[in-house]
Amino acid sequence: EIVLTQSPATLSLSPGERATLSCRASQSVYNYLIWYQQKPGQAPRPLIYDASERATGIPARFSGSGSGTDFTLTISSLEPEDFAVYYCQQRSNWPWTFGQGTKVEIK
Amino acid sequence: QEQLVEVGGGLVKPGGSLRLSCAASEFAFGDYYMTWIRQAPGKGLEWLSYISTGGVTIYYADSVKGRFTVSRDNTKNSLYLQMNNLRTEDTAIYYCARGRFTGWYLDLWGRGTLVTVSS
Repeated sequence: EIVLTQSPATLSLSPGERATLSCRASQSVYNYLIWYQQKPGQAPRPLIYDASERATGIPARFSGSGSGTDFTLTISSLEPEDFAVYYCQQRSNWPWTFGQGTKVEIK
Repeated sequence: QEQLVEVGGGLVKPGGSLRLSCAASEFAFGDYYMTWIRQAPGKGLEWLSYISTGGVTIYYADSVKGRFTVSRDNTKNSLYLQMNNLRTEDTAIYYCARGRFTGWYLDLWGRGTLVTVSS
């Protein structure tokens, strides 16, 4: 099973700041990496697929990069609605797996 | 609008069984692969199972293999998860999610149903 390790566990930032979230895979997942956002009491929402492609309706301030084992989700300028938990997920191998999440909180 | 609604959660004793259903509406259910994902209280997401459009190809997480069975009825626009031999660690919100072939990501999620396993 591929293990995804996200860092940091918590990111404390102010609105308008840049957020950089990391996801590292225990073996190569090529570019088969997806990012989701989850707000309290809600189901997750897809943000980025294939490491760098924005899902439908996702604002341009969200971007993804990386390939192989190291991936990054960047939020260029945090909006109030962006404070949430972010998960990465790999679809390279079965079983699909999620990272443990990074919480982006208001500083 | 397109929607997934999970039902069937509740309180069950360890060793017991439960069957979850996921009803799809306003989209061509049979054209999409489907998955189950769960989230224990205050914890992260755990992928559980995948079922192909026709139900022929199925995969499970090791944590539920042999205890959980996923199925679908495209004539009823419904997805199911039969959960047997439940353990306390199966306590979680269970989500069904639709899979999109372009990019292979989960683009539509239900609101989830809570399963509590406790004596």
